Amino acid sequence: AQSVAQPEDQVNVAEGNPLTVKCTYSVSGNPYLFWYVQYPNRGLQFLLKYITGDNLVKGSYGFEAEFNKSQTSFHLKKPSALVSDSALYFCAVRDISGTYKYIFGTGTRLKVLA
Amino acid sequence: EAQVTQNPRYLITVTGKKLTVTCSQNMNHEYMSWYRQDPGLGLRQIYYSMNVEVTDKGDVPEGYKVSRKEKRNFPLILESPSPNQTSLYFCASNFREGLRNEQFFGPGTRLTVL
Repeated sequence: AQSVAQPEDQVNVAEGNPLTVKCTYSVSGNPYLFWYVQYPNRGLQFLLKYITGDNLVKGSYGFEAEFNKSQTSFHLKKPSALVSDSALYFCAVRDISGTYKYIFGTGTRLKVLA
Repeated sequence: EAQVTQNPRYLITVTGKKLTVTCSQNMNHEYMSWYRQDPGLGLRQIYYSMNVEVTDKGDVPEGYKVSRKEKRNFPLILESPSPNQTSLYFCASNFREGLRNEQFFGPGTRLTVL
């Protein structure tokens, strides 16, 4: 069965420090991978995606993610965290085998401390 | 403005009283989807539609119905709501094929079933 794991419920980081939010996946075949962010009382917003090509993907608000096929990971990173980055982050994978299902992780709450 | 709209945004109802949550998008997307968000469980896909008159079950379809009679609309129907359907619901849409396949989410509908 296909799945997405976000092993950390919460990540705390000091403002200005680098941040990493982890995501691993289990799918058959080549996946489409996504990161979304949810600010309080808002819907989800797209951050970045990996479809094909360069393993390092750059997205909105200075975020980037690295696709690692051997480790089946797609960790979200940012070199210097801002307090305004505090939000709930979701990793997602799209089944490209034909069903077009999307599978989301359970989410990681990022708290950036001033 | 490109957007996904949902109505109502908030709804309190009683067990067994049929309700419909509407979803509409103005981006000519083929793919539309409904999710529920519950604490600790992330987003779970309820139903999705790859085009008009084409719908399929996601991971948690029990107790829900959908229809896709027009490309822009994808209503979620709860024929006989129960308290375990109390949740935050999101509609999303995206292009089905190609590289521009990130999902656009609506603002959410918070449903309480008493």
